[in-house]
Amino acid sequence: AQTVTQSQPEMSVQEAETVTLSCTYDTSESDYYLFWYKQPPSRQMILVIRQEAYKQQNATENRFSVNFQKAAKSFSLKISDSQLGDAAMYFCAYSERNQFYFGTGTSLTVIP
Amino acid sequence: KAGVTQTPRYLIKTRGQQVTLSCSPISGHRSVSWYQQTPGQGLQFLFEYFSETQRNKGNFPGRFSGRQFSNSRSEMNVSTLELGDSALYLCASSPTPVNGELFFGEGSRLTVL
Repeated sequence: AQTVTQSQPEMSVQEAETVTLSCTYDTSESDYYLFWYKQPPSRQMILVIRQEAYKQQNATENRFSVNFQKAAKSFSLKISDSQLGDAAMYFCAYSERNQFYFGTGTSLTVIP
Repeated sequence: KAGVTQTPRYLIKTRGQQVTLSCSPISGHRSVSWYQQTPGQGLQFLFEYFSETQRNKGNFPGRFSGRQFSNSRSEMNVSTLELGDSALYLCASSPTPVNGELFFGEGSRLTVL
């Protein structure tokens, strides 16, 4: 069965520092997509970054980048120059065949 | 462009009752999916609709049902509510049917007493 595992329920980072959130997934498919979503407190979930499995190059979006290791089925998110607005719950997600699978989330605290 | 709209935002029910939640997707989006979010469990997939057809269903009991209308608006229904059904129910729409980015609503927070 497809599963997504986020082994860090909570993380904290000093403002302006860098933090990496971990995610592993399990699938037998070769064609799929990976996502990181951010859910700020009491606000709606939004997409942070997306990676197509067939692309070897790691995706980047401004201060957000991923380390995609397909063979290891690992998809970590790196947040550089952390800002107070980055404080949120972060969900790793995997999708194939029109269905999404989400991890249990990592709660990120940014310390001023 | 208006985002995904979910109603009601908050509701309180008692065990045994039923509830209907509504979701209006972003204009032009034909795929609508529903998720149950609870602390420690993350998001659990309920079902996904595309052009009024349910294409995928998660591992939930038959008490959970849904439908999609011709205008892509979707409803989900939970009958015979149980305490464990208390959760945030999220609706998401997508502009493409295959692995497209999900656009989420703010959710409907259901409390079952």
